[in-house]
Amino acid sequence: QVQLQESGPGLVKPSETLSLTCTVSGGSSRSHSWSWFRQPPGKGLEWIGYMHSSGSTNYNPSLKSRVTISIDTSKNQFSLKLSSVTAADTAVYYCAREKRSSGYPGCWFDPWGQGTLVTVSS
Amino acid sequence: DIQMTQSPSSLSASVGDRVTITCRASQSISSYLNWYQQKPGKAPNLLIYAASTLESGVPSRFSGSGSGTDFTLTISSLQPEDFATYSCQQSYSTPWTFGQGTKVEI
Repeated sequence: QVQLQESGPGLVKPSETLSLTCTVSGGSSRSHSWSWFRQPPGKGLEWIGYMHSSGSTNYNPSLKSRVTISIDTSKNQFSLKLSSVTAADTAVYYCAREKRSSGYPGCWFDPWGQGTLVTVSS
Repeated sequence: DIQMTQSPSSLSASVGDRVTITCRASQSISSYLNWYQQKPGKAPNLLIYAASTLESGVPSRFSGSGSGTDFTLTISSLQPEDFATYSCQQSYSTPWTFGQGTKVEI
């Protein structure tokens, strides 16, 4: 059973770069797309972007200029970098696997990591 | 971006009640709609994908319906462990977007 675990600093200073890693266990990071999401305190979920194990990426246009997602299939990890952070980037950050079914063009997300709170503050 | 609007934002219910949550998309999204349950301090948990397909292991009291712009999540008989926040998510086009959530309270 695939499990995901986010890791990284819980506190980042304004204008610096937020860096998180998601470790995949119980399965391979190959042949899937892997996404990052975030949820500000008391608010809804926001998709940040994904990377497929082939290397293709797709980012939310609202964050595209500041986001980089990368993958290291040899380590079964994928990472998120968000630059020039402000207090508005304070949120719980989640990683998740994208799932698809043959014959159905849509996708869904399962499993999810437990989430990690990142606070942007000096 | 496709906007997803849920109603109500919150509701009060009792154990055994039938609960219905609505999700409306700002444009037609066919059946590309998923539902998640989220408990405080926990990650979202997939309940239903493709509008009406129950994820493996999810109790049959949960059901989803709809297509186009209007969708519903129904809990046929609310159980104590169902008190949580429920969110819809469209996968018709990126950026994938979520509803604001519906909190089901006692």
